[in-house]
Amino acid sequence: DAKTTQPNSMESNEEEPVHLPCNHSTISGTDYIHWYRQLPSQGPEYVIHGLTSNVNNRMASLAIAEDRKSSTLILHRATLRDAAVYYCILRDGQAGTALIFGKGTTLSVSS
Amino acid sequence: DAGVIQSPRHEVTEMGQEVTLRCKPISGHNSLFWYRQTMMRGLELLIYFNNNVPIDDSGMPEDRFSAKMPNASFSTLKIQPSEPRDSAVYFCASRQRAAKNIQYFGAGTRLSVL
Repeated sequence: DAKTTQPNSMESNEEEPVHLPCNHSTISGTDYIHWYRQLPSQGPEYVIHGLTSNVNNRMASLAIAEDRKSSTLILHRATLRDAAVYYCILRDGQAGTALIFGKGTTLSVSS
Repeated sequence: DAGVIQSPRHEVTEMGQEVTLRCKPISGHNSLFWYRQTMMRGLELLIYFNNNVPIDDSGMPEDRFSAKMPNASFSTLKIQPSEPRDSAVYFCASRQRAAKNIQYFGAGTRLSVL
């Protein structure tokens, strides 16, 4: 699996936008970019995923660089409930096997 | 749907005892995954099943660990005998075939081996 690099931690204020970066310079053409998050004392939950184009859903937006070597998860207005560990994961869309989690980015949100 | 259901939520046992963790995947999902999470090693994949068949068990630490999926609605992860280093949170996740690798996780079982 191609590897990803994320900052260990980030801080944000409530109601401000948050941009969580992820570098994946060795991404292959069939790798999807997935984001999951894990709230304290809970299992991971799916946030968003994409292949080449930017994606939006009710939780977040995913901005993918044109060369696909990096991506950014955007939380448009952070809330206290968004404090979590955010994982950026690459997954071969053709192989369809398991997700491999790294250490992720711990996001802290202050009121 | 109630989501992925794991039981028990907490388990405290003594070293050497057998431990069985249980998982009920989301109805209609055909893949099931067992993960273990510790502070030192993070979230690790132990084993996963497609259509009740084990596909990759390379993450299972040793022979003391075994997993079964007798039908599409139930899976177990067994540790026999348990050791203190097995203390961790164990998560089960399921995935629908057509969902491009979107996994749904249970709330986890926190295992403490004394």
